[in-house]
Amino acid sequence: SQKIEQNSEALNIQEGKTATLTCNYTNYSPAYLQWYRQDPGRGPVFLLLIRENEKEKRKERLKVTFDTTLKQSLFHITASQPADSATYLCALAESNTGKLIFGQGTTLQVKP
Amino acid sequence: GAVVSQHPSWVICKSGTSVKIECRSLDFQATTMFWYRQFPKQSLMLMATSNEGSKATYEQGVEKDKFLINHASLTLSTLTVTSAHPEDSSFYICSPPLRDRGNYGYTFGSGTRLTVV
Repeated sequence: SQKIEQNSEALNIQEGKTATLTCNYTNYSPAYLQWYRQDPGRGPVFLLLIRENEKEKRKERLKVTFDTTLKQSLFHITASQPADSATYLCALAESNTGKLIFGQGTTLQVKP
Repeated sequence: GAVVSQHPSWVICKSGTSVKIECRSLDFQATTMFWYRQFPKQSLMLMATSNEGSKATYEQGVEKDKFLINHASLTLSTLTVTSAHPEDSSFYICSPPLRDRGNYGYTFGSGTRLTVV
């Protein structure tokens, strides 16, 4: 069966360090993978999308990599700040329906 | 673009009553709408897809008689939780599919926190 897993439920780091979150998937051949941020009691907010033919994508302090051989995406936040504290979700879209399948999320806590 | 407004943001209801959640598209016309449910410390799970002018499509395991979905117009999709029970307490979120989702991410409503007591 199709599965998306984010490697850790929670990640605590010190301000200024780089946070690295992992997303692994099985039984998918996605055309692209997405990362979202979700704050408590709010809907997800889109951050980055990376296509299958892209190795890396950057947006300000965010960087996403996509390895279709390993079936893995890494999400990095450099120079992390307490305001980056949130839950981060990876998601794949079914190609024919557009339905999003989400990982369970990683809650990042950046300590000052 | 693709802004959706979801109401109410939270609701508390008594067991056995029904609750309606609205999702309005503000700057576009939505022929379909995805409805997700999220339990505490869990990820979003797709419940159903509403279709304007036709029946909704439900995911496996979701009771269509309990979660009534209506998409009466191109700007309004509603989810009604009928005969609510405490186990229905959850965070419900709507999301429209985008025309060019290959280039952009999805937008989501702000969510509705339902608590059944």
